[in-house]
Amino acid sequence: TAGITQAPTSQILAAGRSMTLRCTQDMRHNAMYWYRQDLGLGIRLIHYSNTAGTTGKGEVPDGYSVSRANTDDFPLTLASAVPSQTSVYFCASSEQGRGTEAFFGQGTRLTVV
Amino acid sequence: GESVGLHLPTLSVQEGDNSIINCAYSNSASDYFIWYKQESGKGPQFIIDIRSNMDKRQGQRVTVLLNKTVKHLSLQIAATQPGDSAVYFCAENIEEDTGRRALTFGSGTRLQVQP
Repeated sequence: TAGITQAPTSQILAAGRSMTLRCTQDMRHNAMYWYRQDLGLGIRLIHYSNTAGTTGKGEVPDGYSVSRANTDDFPLTLASAVPSQTSVYFCASSEQGRGTEAFFGQGTRLTVV
Repeated sequence: GESVGLHLPTLSVQEGDNSIINCAYSNSASDYFIWYKQESGKGPQFIIDIRSNMDKRQGQRVTVLLNKTVKHLSLQIAATQPGDSAVYFCAENIEEDTGRRALTFGSGTRLQVQP
């Protein structure tokens, strides 16, 4: 069972360039999320989607955009990368509703230079 | 703003001993809590969860305790093994007025198991 698949696993990106982090899930979960993990700052929510066709902002949405054209895919785009976006990015999904766990992908390590 | 936090950044235990990892939360409206384990280079992995209408839940070698009076959550690991070495996060789940329902994570505790 694949679960959550993220691509790429790592990337070095020049500042000012754009990039899309891909996320696909095969569990037919309604809700999907993007988090970033930084040493000392923990795991913070960037954007979320409760269901296909809808998205919302998390704690740290600036500089990122998402789309949810279908249930399975939830790409995260950096329009013009800056060094502060150097981080490990995790995609997650869960069944929408009260009290359900989120399943996480393996992460994308992004370095903006 | 309200947040989920942890008391101890690093916990070192001997193999075979029991481990207790603590977490304080401040959002009294949270209705669901989860403990995740994260090994180096991997994403967080679900360990155990508990709803706000419970005060204790047991899994295989793990127990989560919830004290809503003092807004405290703990994870107990029995007979700790080297494979338990990882960073452990507590997370709370709440549906906000905006319609957002997502996990808010604590800062994490590193568990080191000494052979």
